[in-house]
Order: sequence, then C-alpha cells, then structure tokens
Amino acid sequence: DTGVSQNPRHKITKRGQNVTFRCDPISEHNRLYWYRQTLGQGPEFLTYFQNEAQLEKSRLLSDRFSAERPKGSFSTLEIQRTEQGDSAMYLCASSPPPSANRVPKNIQYFGAGTRLSVL
Amino acid sequence: GNSVTQMEGPVTLSEEAFLTINCTYTATGYPSLFWYVQYPGEGLQLLLKATKADDKGSNKGFEATYRKETTSFHLEKGSVQVSDSAVYFCALSAYGGYQKVTFGTGTKLQVIP
Repeated sequence: DTGVSQNPRHKITKRGQNVTFRCDPISEHNRLYWYRQTLGQGPEFLTYFQNEAQLEKSRLLSDRFSAERPKGSFSTLEIQRTEQGDSAMYLCASSPPPSANRVPKNIQYFGAGTRLSVL
Repeated sequence: GNSVTQMEGPVTLSEEAFLTINCTYTATGYPSLFWYVQYPGEGLQLLLKATKADDKGSNKGFEATYRKETTSFHLEKGSVQVSDSAVYFCALSAYGGYQKVTFGTGTKLQVIP
C-alpha cells in the first residue's frame, strides 16, 4: 500500500493553456474524489467516482474542467483554457468499499496534491 | 447546505500547553465528523473521527466529542508538542464519509519550545 499518488506535484502554466493531472488511488479503493484547496482555505469538493462512474459534480466544476476514471483505477482531471483563478492545490482522495475487510471504511485517504500556478 | 466553522488561527502555544480548537457545524441529518491534520509539505491525514452523537474520537493524545445538542466537535489535547505544529481541519460528511466531505477553513497551530 503506497498511498494515494498524484502527479505532477507542481505545475506552472500560462493562462489559456490546458493542463492535466493524474491521481492513482490506493489499490482496491473503489471511490475516488477530487478537491480544490486555495491558500488559507479548506479543501472544496469538486467531484467523485465510484469505480468508473462519476456520481456527483460540484457547481465549482465549470465546463472547462473535466474528470475521468476510465477503467475504475486512476483518474485524470483536465482544466482547459486555464485562468489565474484556477491557481490552487488540487487534491485527490480515495476510500475503500463498504465491503472491505479489516480496514476503516468511511475514511478518505488523501494524496499530497498537485499545486497549479497559472501565470 | 452543510457547513463547518472553526476558530481562526494562527494559534501559538508553548510546549506542554493545553490545546482547544473550536469547531461547530451545520448539517441535515446525522453527519459523521472528522478532524484532519496537514503537516507542512504533506497531504491531509485523518486525525480522528466520530460517527454518532456522544462518540469520542481520539488519536495521538488528541480528543474530540460529537455534541449534537451544541452541534460542536471541539479538538483538545492536554499537552502539545512542537511536532504538533500543523494546520488542523474540522470536517463533516453527511453520508458517513462515502461521499463528499465539507471542510472548515483550517486552524494553524504553532507550538514553540
């Protein structure tokens, strides 16, 4: 168990460019979540997946944002035509299914995040 | 909607002092409550949780009790250490943690020797 892995750790881009982040959840965790954290604030929910199905999207997730989890394993978050207001830490979390044995179930395990800076 | 309010920081304490970080919440139903900690340069880590009224979560000397009557989940520790310096987030999930988690704004704790 290597924990939730996010890549890249840092991304600097120019306004108007597209960026994509990757999240690899803990093995056998069927739920995967994306959050955004701006400086001095707590994380804000963006979206979550159960297996490959995207079950909920926040109104924070504008049309420029798209998240996928095509095979129910890793996930990608793409931001098109980035704006300076997109600068933030993007956090990924995963949690095991209710049927999992010998692990706490209703807990989300977070990755270290991808810090995006839009110039 | 659901929301979490926690005391603003930063909080600066001397080593071995008593810590309280206040947290209150607004939610429908019976949410699960959490405290997460974020050490510098690291991701969020679950510190403790409570899933129903009057439950007490505890870990690493930290404690918090789920008080439904006051909608509170205050974090306490009897004797803080320099290594406890971090940002602490109070959070709730209306669905036991299986769906979205709503976080407070975080409280930065600095413990000085």
